[in-house]
Amino acid sequence: AQKVTQAQTEISVVEKEDVTLDCVYETRDTTYYLFWYKQPPSGELVFLIRRNSFDEQNEISGRYSWNFQKSTSSFNFTITASQVVDSAVYFCALSDPYGQNFVFGPGTRLSVLP
Amino acid sequence: DTGVSQDPRHKITKRGQNVTFRCDPISEHNRLYWYRQTLGQGPEFLTYFQNEAQLEKSRLLSDRFSAERPKGSFSTLEIQRTEQGDSAMYLCASSWTGDPNEKLFFGSGTQLSVL
Repeated sequence: AQKVTQAQTEISVVEKEDVTLDCVYETRDTTYYLFWYKQPPSGELVFLIRRNSFDEQNEISGRYSWNFQKSTSSFNFTITASQVVDSAVYFCALSDPYGQNFVFGPGTRLSVLP
Repeated sequence: DTGVSQDPRHKITKRGQNVTFRCDPISEHNRLYWYRQTLGQGPEFLTYFQNEAQLEKSRLLSDRFSAERPKGSFSTLEIQRTEQGDSAMYLCASSWTGDPNEKLFFGSGTQLSVL
């Protein structure tokens, strides 16, 4: 069975601080996809990134970066120089090789204080 | 392209009543998903369509729940004999198999309150 764990329920940081959101997953598939989604206060989930299990290169997109470590089954997300607009609930998700069976973690609520 | 739309945004019903929600995916998307989200939790998968075929159903989906996507476009989710435990946000998402990122586009959801 597939499972995603996000141990941090809530995180508060002050603006401009860096923050890392942890994600640990379980799957029996050798090929799988990992995702991060953002759910701002408006409620609509927004796609941030997808990572293929064969691609362990870390990725950076502006202030966002992702660290995928297959050895520890982790796919952590770092926001550098956080801003108030980053305040949201962030979900890590896992899907099977066919892009189906999306399983979401419980989410981490990030509050960035001015 | 107006994104994924869901109707209604909010539904309040009495226990035992039937409710139906509608989802209109992004027009060129062939995959459509229904999820349920309760407060403080991540979305839980309910069911999934590729075109008009319902390919996957979660064990969460009891026989009181039924979903259809008759022409491979919009979808409906019906809950019969609602129970208080059905109160949740029901999310619809769509995707396109040709998208290399396989990303889901979510609607704003239908908030169901069962009194």
